[in-house]
Amino acid sequence: QKEVEQNSGPLSVPEGAIASLNCTYSDRVSQSFFWYRQYSGKSPELIMSIYSNGDKEDGRFTAQLNKASQYVSLLIRDSQPSDSATYLCAVKVNTNAGKSTFGDGTTLTVKP
Amino acid sequence: GAVVSQHPSWVICKSGTSVKIECRSLDFQATTMFWYRQFPKQSLMLMATSNEGSKATYEQGVEKDKFLINHASLTLSTLTVTSAHPEDSSFYICAGGGSNQPQHFGDGTRLSIL
Repeated sequence: QKEVEQNSGPLSVPEGAIASLNCTYSDRVSQSFFWYRQYSGKSPELIMSIYSNGDKEDGRFTAQLNKASQYVSLLIRDSQPSDSATYLCAVKVNTNAGKSTFGDGTTLTVKP
Repeated sequence: GAVVSQHPSWVICKSGTSVKIECRSLDFQATTMFWYRQFPKQSLMLMATSNEGSKATYEQGVEKDKFLINHASLTLSTLTVTSAHPEDSSFYICAGGGSNQPQHFGDGTRLSIL
């Protein structure tokens, strides 16, 4: 079992729809959770951080964390073609010298 | 947020050449930096953790004599791919960040070995 698991996709949604990206992790002592977006040929860029249970909203993005279920998700509202990218979930145990464990990513395509 | 500058963006060179990639933290002190490699349409793969003033920690299967890491200051880590061969062609990315902070990535270096 991988430490961080994501559906590889591809996930395809129409423009304006809600895209839902999911991630599960195996290490119960994980404390920090991040979502990155990676466009083809580019390096990952951070879009959301979440540290406590519940929802965190930033513009069209909402991250949801449930530590009991070891589950973190990212919702993208009003999806745009420019949101088409690979989304990486990352999990960090804060004592582990800053090392994050990344999922393999979910590829999202938003169709006009 | 934290800014990481990586240089060069592209390298094309002949087989057998050694290539050095620099990674600088511009607005924070990076006691630890991370080096990743990513082949086309594949996952991000951690190669090594670079520690300021001490030896790097390499992931299983990564040759430390092939991929030399130096982290001599709190703002600069370098990765040298020694005697590069076509199979080393890849996208190399560095990242830095504190213990409870997210990693911030450099723009990456696309390495092509002919």
